[in-house]
Amino acid sequence: EPEVTQTPSHQVTQMGQEVILRCVPISNHLYFYWYRQILGQKVEFLVSFYNNEISEKSEIFDDQFSVERPDGSNFTLKIRSTKLEDSAMYFCASSQGTGGWNTGELFFGEGSRLTVL
Amino acid sequence: KNEVEQSPQNLTAQEGEFITINCSYSVGISALHWLQQHPGGGIVSLFMLSSGKKKHGRLIATINIQEKHSSLHITASHPRDSAVYICAVRSKGAQKLVFGQGTRLTINP
Repeated sequence: EPEVTQTPSHQVTQMGQEVILRCVPISNHLYFYWYRQILGQKVEFLVSFYNNEISEKSEIFDDQFSVERPDGSNFTLKIRSTKLEDSAMYFCASSQGTGGWNTGELFFGEGSRLTVL
Repeated sequence: KNEVEQSPQNLTAQEGEFITINCSYSVGISALHWLQQHPGGGIVSLFMLSSGKKKHGRLIATINIQEKHSSLHITASHPRDSAVYICAVRSKGAQKLVFGQGTRLTINP
């Protein structure tokens, strides 16, 4: 069964460092997402990406964050100058769409746990 | 007020019991998702609903659009069903999912 894969599974970094989280979505999917879950809290939307551009982003997704699909398969989330409060599990997800609209079930990766010290 | 409210927050039951988890939402939606999160953190999609009812094995999901309410049922529950079950909605015209807080289900043998 096709799956979304994420690397690394766990990253520990020092405050102020840059982090790149990588995701390989399912190959025929068109919509890509990043969500995060701070320990003990609910999952929060960060950003959605379609047709090589951001289609929607939350207020959390400020200038510290960026996304990229550099080579047609990877989908990356970059966090510049990490802060303590960026510590969370980051989930990548992808879905199919039809006719330019996202009608598909969401498939999640296993998550990348980021710990900022 | 949260857009998505789940109840109960925690549920402990004995193996074999019939389980119901409820989800209420406050906005017009294009779809509602039920998801399962395992102790390791991974999230698996169980159902995506926009109307009616869906069944997969021992799991049944229903939605009432007029009442803005959905339920997830588990028949003949088993300890391996122990997980956090999450309701999430996609508002009309939006890409993002808005998540509920989750219901932690524990099934004892």
